[in-house]
Amino acid sequence: DAGVTQSPTHLIKTRGQQVTLRCSPKSGHDTVSWYQQALGQGPQFIFQYYEEEERQRGNFPDRFSGHQFPNYSSELNVNALLLGDSALYLCASSLSWDRGHLDGYTFGSGTRLTVV
Amino acid sequence: AQSVTQLDSHVSVSEGTPVLLRCNYSSSYSPSLFWYVQHPNKGLQLLLKYTSAATLVKGINGFEAEFKKSETSFHLTKPSAHMSDAAEYFCVVSDRRGDMRFGAGTRLTVKP
Repeated sequence: DAGVTQSPTHLIKTRGQQVTLRCSPKSGHDTVSWYQQALGQGPQFIFQYYEEEERQRGNFPDRFSGHQFPNYSSELNVNALLLGDSALYLCASSLSWDRGHLDGYTFGSGTRLTVV
Repeated sequence: AQSVTQLDSHVSVSEGTPVLLRCNYSSSYSPSLFWYVQHPNKGLQLLLKYTSAATLVKGINGFEAEFKKSETSFHLTKPSAHMSDAAEYFCVVSDRRGDMRFGAGTRLTVKP
C-alpha cells in the first residue's frame, strides 16, 4: 500500500521563478493538505484540498496556489519565488476532510526547495 | 484559535533512561492531539493519537502519552530510550474542521 508520494525530492530555483510541486495521496485518501517547514521550525499549514476545491487556507500569500485533480493528486504552485520560500514542503493526506482529526494524517517525505 | 507549546526545544538523555517530552495545548473545542516523529530528511510519522477515548494512549516503538485536560497537557514518555529514538518530535492539536497546528518541535538526542 503506497503511502504519500511527493516529487521532486529536491529542487533549486532562482528568485522570481515559479515552481510546481506534486503529491499523490495514500490509496483511499481523498483530502490533501500542504505544509511549509522552514529549517528548525514546525510545519505551517498552507492549504487543504477536498473534492478539487480549496477548503481551508493558512496565512500564506496568493503567490501560493494549488490544485487537486479528479484522481485526488495535488499540485502546489509558488510564483515569484523569494529567498524566504526556501523550505521543506510537506504533503499530507487523510481519508476525508473530517477524518484527519480522528485518524491523523499520512505525510510524504517532502520536497526540499532551495531558492537562490 | 488553537495552539501548541512544546516546552523544550532540545532534550538529551542517555540510552536506557526514560524520555519525557512536554507539550501544552490551547483549544476552544474538544481537541484531537497527536505526536509525530521526524527523522533527518524524512517525512513525519504518526507516533500516537488522542481522540477523546482513553486518556492514556499507547503508540508505536514503546511511546505513550497522557491527556490531562485539567493541565491542558499531552506529554510524551518512553521508559527506556534507544539510539534509534533520536529525532525531532512534534506535538499537534487538531479540531473537527481539520485545522491542525504544530508545535515548534523538540529535538531528542540519545547518548550512548
